[in-house]
Amino acid sequence: KAGVTQTPRYLIKTRGQQVTLSCSPISGHRSVSWYQQTPGQGLQFLFEYFSETQRNKGNFPGRFSGRQFSNSRSEMNVSTLELGDSALYLCASSLEGSASTGELFFGEGSRLTVL
Amino acid sequence: KQEVTQIPAALSVPEGENLVLNCSFTDSAIYNLQWFRQDPGKGLTSLLLIQSSQREQTSGRLNASLDKSSGRSTLYIAASQPGDSATYLCAPSGGANNLFFGTGTRLTVIP
Repeated sequence: KAGVTQTPRYLIKTRGQQVTLSCSPISGHRSVSWYQQTPGQGLQFLFEYFSETQRNKGNFPGRFSGRQFSNSRSEMNVSTLELGDSALYLCASSLEGSASTGELFFGEGSRLTVL
Repeated sequence: KQEVTQIPAALSVPEGENLVLNCSFTDSAIYNLQWFRQDPGKGLTSLLLIQSSQREQTSGRLNASLDKSSGRSTLYIAASQPGDSATYLCAPSGGANNLFFGTGTRLTVIP
């Protein structure tokens, strides 16, 4: 059974550009969450999607957005990139949307460098 | 806001030793707590999930306990091996898969 797949694995952008990251969850999983990991702030929750609806959102500016498709695949977009957006972006999927039972499975991440 | 603290920040032990990693959190209203390991530059690997109604979970050489009322969880690793070297993260869940992560414990097991 394939795990969570994130693409691209590495990318370099310049300030002011935008970026789109993709995440394919484990087959059958309907919930997808996104996290940002930086050396200074650690792992921080961005948002969570379930059945194409954003159910929860972390404390990030509106430049960070996402969506989920009917096949549960998800994308996140960051517009007007800043140097501080350089990070490892991790996607996680879970079988159910229930917060009380969902074990999260993470992908390998997309490492974004903003120059 | 949930604050998660992991002690120690780093730990170096000889192979074969049993060890305990500690995690404390400030808000006891959690749905569950998950322990992960992360290898350098990699994603997170789920180790154990403890539901809020449970006291402990075991998987192989790993045992995790949860005391929700006191805001504490421990991860016990028996007979450590060099392959256990990684950063270990605990993450209580605030609902809708919003996990709050600590800064982790970096474990090095010396052969």
